[in-house]
Amino acid sequence: AQTVTQSQPEMSVQEAETVTLSCTYDTSENNYYLFWYKQPPSRQMILVIRQEAYKQQNATENRFSVNFQKAAKSFSLKISDSQLGDTAMYFCAFINYGGSQGNLIFGKGTKLSVKP
Amino acid sequence: EPEVTQTPSHQVTQMGQEVILRCVPISNHLYFYWYRQILGQKVEFLVSFYNNEISEKSEIFDDQFSVERPDGSNFTLKIRSTKLEDSAMYFCASSTNLDRAQETQYFGPGTRLLVL
Repeated sequence: AQTVTQSQPEMSVQEAETVTLSCTYDTSENNYYLFWYKQPPSRQMILVIRQEAYKQQNATENRFSVNFQKAAKSFSLKISDSQLGDTAMYFCAFINYGGSQGNLIFGKGTKLSVKP
Repeated sequence: EPEVTQTPSHQVTQMGQEVILRCVPISNHLYFYWYRQILGQKVEFLVSFYNNEISEKSEIFDDQFSVERPDGSNFTLKIRSTKLEDSAMYFCASSTNLDRAQETQYFGPGTRLLVL
């Protein structure tokens, strides 16, 4: 079964500090893409960062970076210099490459609160 | 920046009634998706649609569900006879015409459906 597990239902962090959200996944495929989506209280899901499984280098997008450990099937998100606007639900997801697998498989999400 | 839009934002219906949820994907996108998120649960894939036909569907997407692209801009999800367990947030997403797996899916803000 293909699954995504986010073991932290809720987290909080002080403004300007760093926080890491964990994600593990399970797939028998070798080629896939991993994503972190952010869902602010207004409910629009926005892509934060993506990682191709064939790339060893961890993806970064400004204050957001990932720690991708393929062998461990781990894909954590680090948010540096947290801002109040980072308060949101964060979903980890993956999609298999090729074949007919075109749908995203999501975790349950981590609710992040950034406190002033 | 172009966005996926969805209407209505909230819908309340009686069990057994038909509902149609509407989505306007990003204009140059050719792949369309519906996902749902039952409160407190994972975001789950329902169906993908390309070239005026269903590409994939999950086991959730039974005969009570149908999708349609009635014109050049709208993409609709119809639930023929709603059940209590259909209460959820329904998200529409779209992506460009390149390889679906690597193309980012852009999500709408969702329609909150409540079946009484």
